[in-house]
Amino acid sequence: KAGVTQTPRYLIKTRGQQVTLSCSPISGHRSVSWYQQTPGQGLQFLFEYFSETQRNKGNFPGRFSGRQFSNSRSEMNVSTLELGDSALYLCASSLALAQGNSPLHFGNGTRLTVT
Amino acid sequence: AQKVTQAQTEISVVEKEDVTLDCVYETRDTTYYLFWYKQPPSGELVFLIRRNSFDEQNEISGRYSWNFQKSTSSFNFTITASQVVDSAVYFCALRRAIQGAQKLVFGQGTRLTINP
Repeated sequence: KAGVTQTPRYLIKTRGQQVTLSCSPISGHRSVSWYQQTPGQGLQFLFEYFSETQRNKGNFPGRFSGRQFSNSRSEMNVSTLELGDSALYLCASSLALAQGNSPLHFGNGTRLTVT
Repeated sequence: AQKVTQAQTEISVVEKEDVTLDCVYETRDTTYYLFWYKQPPSGELVFLIRRNSFDEQNEISGRYSWNFQKSTSSFNFTITASQVVDSAVYFCALRRAIQGAQKLVFGQGTRLTINP
């Protein structure tokens, strides 16, 4: 069974540009979450989706957005990039929106560098 | 609010030594879930264990063991007879046990280096 797949693995963008990251969950998993990892702030929750609906959102500005498609694949978009957006972006999937007992399975992440 | 604290930023030991990674959490919920993840240099977070708040039984899996103490809000992780392959960053995480709760609150992580 294939794991969570994130593309691309690496991205270099310039300030002011926008970027789209993609995530394909494990087959059968309907819930997808996104996390940002930086040396200073650690792992921070961005948002989560289930059945194409955003169920929860972290404390990030509106420049960060996402969506989920009918096949459970998800994308996140960051507009008007800032230097501080440089980070490892991790996508995770789980079986369902259960009562917190389904472990999240993470992808390898997309490392975004903003110059 | 929920919070997870991993006070040990970095630990370095020699191979075959035992090592314990500390995790202390804060939550007002009476029911919750605790997790440990391992992050090797490749970047992927690898799930190690999930523990329900109402189950305080310790768990052992090979060289890994976990000690959950609700009275002290701690969920410590011990590696016995450490190996170089155990070198990674380890994260402790907390999640609410309510419908729709997928969000994990992570600690800052402990970088573990096992030297040959």
